[in-house]
Amino acid sequence: EPEVTQTPSHQVTQMGQEVILRCVPISNHLYFYWYRQILGQKVEFLVSFYNNEISEKSEIFDDQFSVERPDGSNFTLKIRSTKLEDSAMYFCASGPLAYEQYFGPGTRLTVT
Amino acid sequence: ILNVEQSPQSLHVQEGDSTNFTCSFPSSNFYALHWYRWETAKSPEALFVMTLNGDEKKKGRISATLNTKEGYSYLYIKGSQPEDSATYLCAFRSARQLTFGSGTQLTVLP
Repeated sequence: EPEVTQTPSHQVTQMGQEVILRCVPISNHLYFYWYRQILGQKVEFLVSFYNNEISEKSEIFDDQFSVERPDGSNFTLKIRSTKLEDSAMYFCASGPLAYEQYFGPGTRLTVT
Repeated sequence: ILNVEQSPQSLHVQEGDSTNFTCSFPSSNFYALHWYRWETAKSPEALFVMTLNGDEKKKGRISATLNTKEGYSYLYIKGSQPEDSATYLCAFRSARQLTFGSGTQLTVLP
């Protein structure tokens, strides 16, 4: 059964560094999402992406964040200058329909 | 900030018991209500997407109902099994965002 995959599973970076989290959505899906969960807190929506553009984004998704689908298969989340509070589990999801989502296993980002 | 609340926070039941949890959400600007099942060390798994008031959805022993006018959804599990142990998350979709609840952590004891 096809799955959403994410790499790396754990990323450690220093404050101020740029980090790129990678996701490979399920191949025939059209809708793509990023979420995060800071340890001990609720899951938070970051951004949704459809038809090669951002369709929705939350207040968290400020200018430090960007998403790309560079080659038709990968879907990346870039954080330009990481802060300590960016430490979280980042989940990618994809779906064939707007309301149907399949999640990846997550990338744990630790900013030191 | 939208308020999406789930109760109870955690629940222990015996195998074979039926159980239910609640998700409450704002009754305005409703687009959809999502339920997810999240087992420890795995990714969240989408259970249901509910869009219409009065919707009832069923998947095996799990079902859900939706009341958009009063802003709540119930998730029911009939005859709980140990493999049902997980955190059950709801998420409220309005026009511009998806807001998650804190989840109900279910433990089914054999």
